[in-house]
Amino acid sequence: EIVLTQSPGTLSLSPGERATLSCRASESVSSSYLAWFQQRPGQAPRLLIYGGSSRATGIPDRFSGSGSGTDFILTISRLEPEDFAVYYCQHYGTSPYTFGQGTKLEIK
Amino acid sequence: QVQLVQSGAEVKKPGSSVKVSCKASGGTFGSYSISWVRQAPRQGLEWMGRILPILDVANYAQKFQGRVTITADKSTNTAYMELSTLNSEDTALYYCVCGYNARLDYWGQGTLVTVSS
Repeated sequence: EIVLTQSPGTLSLSPGERATLSCRASESVSSSYLAWFQQRPGQAPRLLIYGGSSRATGIPDRFSGSGSGTDFILTISRLEPEDFAVYYCQHYGTSPYTFGQGTKLEIK
Repeated sequence: QVQLVQSGAEVKKPGSSVKVSCKASGGTFGSYSISWVRQAPRQGLEWMGRILPILDVANYAQKFQGRVTITADKSTNTAYMELSTLNSEDTALYYCVCGYNARLDYWGQGTLVTVSS
């Protein structure tokens, strides 16, 4: 089973700043099968990025995904108040489709 | 835009089973895979398994193998997840999710399953 490790566990930033979230896999993952999700309190997760770098429908272009092999990055270029949430990476290439443990993005 | 509506909250005794339903609308049911993901209180996300309704083939995370059964009824666009031999660690919010291939595009509202004696 592929283990995804996200860092940092918590990221404290201010609105308008740039956020960089990391996801490291225990073995190589095809970027075609790497996704990022946002979960706000009390809500279901929402797909942000699939295929490593493709934005899902309706996702603002301040969200971008990159990476390959074992290292992937989610970047939020300029933080809006609604972006403060928990973010998860997930691979969906080979079963089981595991998630990272999450990064909490909080207001500084 | 696919919408997924799940059945209501359940309270179960340890050792019993629970079956959660997930009805899809707004899309072609057979075009998607349906996955089940759970989230224990204040914890992260855990993928349990998925089914391809068009093939009626399911696969499961090894952790749940033998305890979970995912099925789909194409005639009613409804998927089901049954989890047996429940214990307190199964207390969680259970989500059904559909998407292309194994992607998790559209999420249901979640069903809270509480296991308590």
